[in-house]
Amino acid sequence: QQQVKQSPQSLIVQKGGISIINCAYENTAFDYFPWYQQFPGKGPALLIAIRPDVSEKKEGRFTISFNKSAKQFSLHIMDSQPGDSATYFCAASPGGNKLIFGAGTRLAVHP
Amino acid sequence: GAVVSQHPSWVICKSGTSVKIECRSLDFQATTMFWYRQFPKQSLMLMATSNEGSKATYEQGVEKDKFLINHASLTLSTLTVTSAHPEDSSFYICSVRSSGMGGEQYFGPGTRLTVT
Repeated sequence: QQQVKQSPQSLIVQKGGISIINCAYENTAFDYFPWYQQFPGKGPALLIAIRPDVSEKKEGRFTISFNKSAKQFSLHIMDSQPGDSATYFCAASPGGNKLIFGAGTRLAVHP
Repeated sequence: GAVVSQHPSWVICKSGTSVKIECRSLDFQATTMFWYRQFPKQSLMLMATSNEGSKATYEQGVEKDKFLINHASLTLSTLTVTSAHPEDSSFYICSVRSSGMGGEQYFGPGTRLTVT
């Protein structure tokens, strides 16, 4: 009930391509879904977040797609750049409190 | 987003000693802070929720007598690892959340603890 399942575990994308990372959850009490970017040795940085009342949110090259009925959400990184190479974590939260993190996706963008 | 600092950024201590890690919210008052632990190439695991002026709430399996948390003010929470052992070596990260910010959590830069 508390798990957030993230896939793929790793992803290689060519520069300029689209990176897509998927997450699924079980707990219908989750109402806040953020994505974080983490570089080695650094703390996670909040990229973008969505709530269940919308199906899509876009900020720059980053887009979250949310499917409430399927209990799935995904991150799309458009025009991927080598500087986007990092580990990405999805998360979910019940009532805006503690975050339950996915296992992470290591993205490598090749020039 | 919020600015969060942690001190120290890295620390090496001997087995059996205690080490204190500070987490500061620099630009807003954080009524709630969270402490996470992250092992290499793994995800973040919540250890405890720290509420200003009250006792921390620990996640299942986290020893509250070993990981002491003190949220003494709206801008400072501390995590003390007592009687550290090599298996406590990890990356410790705090985050802050304010109800006025829609529930977003912002993370500190992390503290690398190595116990020898």
